[in-house]
Amino acid sequence: EADIYQTPRYLVIGTGKKITLECSQTMGHDKMYWYQQDPGMELHLIHYSYGVNSTEKGDLSSESTVSRIRTEHFPLTLESARPSHTSQYLCASAPSGRHNEQFFGPGTRLTVL
Amino acid sequence: KQEVTQIPAALSVPEGENLVLNCSFTDSAIYNLQWFRQDPGKGLTSLLLIQSSQREQTSGRLNASLDKSSGRSTLYIAASQPGDSATYLCAVRSRGGADGLTFGKGTHLIIQP
Repeated sequence: EADIYQTPRYLVIGTGKKITLECSQTMGHDKMYWYQQDPGMELHLIHYSYGVNSTEKGDLSSESTVSRIRTEHFPLTLESARPSHTSQYLCASAPSGRHNEQFFGPGTRLTVL
Repeated sequence: KQEVTQIPAALSVPEGENLVLNCSFTDSAIYNLQWFRQDPGKGLTSLLLIQSSQREQTSGRLNASLDKSSGRSTLYIAASQPGDSATYLCAVRSRGGADGLTFGKGTHLIIQP
């Protein structure tokens, strides 16, 4: 079944640790996105990709980095986690084109102590 | 810079009522508008996508309208059910800027049995 997967779903980690949030999709989509949602706030775009070897920064500045080595995989990395990184991170994908619907994964809730 | 506002922020109604959720956006240069629902601890479920050239879209008990020139959209839910309880998010895909969605803060909806 075509879907978007995110792991882990929940992560509690100490300050200074390096973390990677995984996102993979079997939708066959070229475009992928990362959004950040702080509690009670709206989602903000932090990274997106048009395809393999393409990465762009979104509207909200983020200390995280992303890579796109395979079409179906779009991991997000924090080199040194801080309490200010505590948030929910949502991955999405969409077919190529400007008029297409975005589909979201279940999200990763990150807590940095 | 695109801004999306959703009114009301919260709504509680008895089961069976018809209700309207409102969304407004500041820049009418959009490709499309998408309505989502978000359940606690889960990702986003896409409900309806309206292209900029369309006036409305329907799916089951849901009907979404778009008035691009005035920067407004409404989501109409007919014959509400307790299972409709969730946060409803409005998001627009703008013609300029980063290739992603701009979200409102959402309407938290509670349907009383």
